[in-house]
Amino acid sequence: QTVVTQEPSLTVSPGGTVTLTCASSAGAVTNGYYPNWYQQKPGQAPRALIYSTTNKHSWTPARFSGSLLGGKAALTLSGVQPEDEAEYYCLLYYGGGVVFGGGTKLTVL
Amino acid sequence: QVQLQESGPGLVKPSETLSLTCTVSGGSISSSSYYWGWIRQPPGKGLEWIGSIYYNGNTYYNPSLESRVTISADTSKNHFSLTLSSVTAADTALYYCARSRGGLTTYSDWGQGTLVTVSS
Repeated sequence: QTVVTQEPSLTVSPGGTVTLTCASSAGAVTNGYYPNWYQQKPGQAPRALIYSTTNKHSWTPARFSGSLLGGKAALTLSGVQPEDEAEYYCLLYYGGGVVFGGGTKLTVL
Repeated sequence: QVQLQESGPGLVKPSETLSLTCTVSGGSISSSSYYWGWIRQPPGKGLEWIGSIYYNGNTYYNPSLESRVTISADTSKNHFSLTLSSVTAADTALYYCARSRGGLTTYSDWGQGTLVTVSS
């Protein structure tokens, strides 16, 4: 089965910028994988942030943005806030099914 | 505002079948705009997509679970269900139901999750 890989953990300072990436064992990630990004805080259900690579939901803060970067899907947080500390998951489409990445634990310190 | 609520036994014995239901309010599972899915999360671990069902009854499953999983829908009760057979301790997880808009990937609405423990 296809494996989707994310950085296990990242640390960023408040007000800083950080980029999380999402790679596929099947090769370069393209728009055809419809990358989605989810945020999950402890004790809560995941919350959708980004869909189809770059699109934000109505509730997604402007500081979150999605892109393709070097053959991977990417989530960039600009002007990080303390409340952004969370686990972030990407999800990729593989023709009839989807796979979540292992998650990135983002620490704001 | 759609709401999803998982229900079912919190404890299942090894080798038996896990059965959960997701009751949907504020939206119809007969809508062609959405897919309805199940996602699980073992304690302290990441998310795993189990599968989804579309309004026309088409189902999509995680290949690693496909031989044990069935997702079905009851439009008269506006709910959809998950059965997972031959469970082991590895199936212990928080099980979420969720609604995806326009495809299998965009789960914008989630239930609160229900913990299922597999133990004798």
